Amino acid sequence: NAGVTQTPKFQVLKTGQSMTLQCAQDMNHNSMYWYRQDPGMGLRLIYYSASEGTTDKGEVPNGYNVSRLNKREFSLRLESAAPSQTSVYFCASSQDNRETQYFGPGTRLLVL
Amino acid sequence: AQTVTQSQPEMSVQEAETVTLSCTYDTSESDYYLFWYKQPPSRQMILVIRQEAYKQQNATENRFSVNFQKAAKSFSLKISDSQLGDAAMYFCAYRGSGGSNYKLTFGKGTLLTVNP
Repeated sequence: NAGVTQTPKFQVLKTGQSMTLQCAQDMNHNSMYWYRQDPGMGLRLIYYSASEGTTDKGEVPNGYNVSRLNKREFSLRLESAAPSQTSVYFCASSQDNRETQYFGPGTRLLVL
Repeated sequence: AQTVTQSQPEMSVQEAETVTLSCTYDTSESDYYLFWYKQPPSRQMILVIRQEAYKQQNATENRFSVNFQKAAKSFSLKISDSQLGDAAMYFCAYRGSGGSNYKLTFGKGTLLTVNP
């Protein structure tokens, strides 16, 4: 049972380039989330999807877009990467908003 | 807005000893959930323990237990019989129970070192 998977594990971008971070879960969870983790800080919510077909902004959504492709997959897109988006990105999922969130292994992104 | 504070940036413990990590939070809600997550050098976020605020009994998972003091808004994690594999960053997290409240609010973390 893979749980939550993320691709890629590591990526280097130049300022202005775009990319999509992929996330998939095999636990049949309804809710999915994208967080970012910066040095010396806990995780901060970027976007979440309460259920298939819905997405909502979290605490730090600027510069990002998301797509809930189906129940399993939730992608995060950077249209024009900036150095301030250098971070580690975590995807998570939960059965619903009352249940525990389970995290993927993270994607380390470096924007030069 | 809810806030979570972990006042100990770093802690160390001798192998086989007990250590307690502190966490306080601020909320106006009466029903909510609290969590401790462990992040080893691999960066994977691993759930350690969960506590529902409406439950008076402190949660326990093997060598891990919490001291939940609702009135004081305190949620500390006790690790007994510490092992080398317990070395990691530990994050305390809060989530409200409202229907649209999905966000986990994290503290800044406590780095735990286990000395052999």
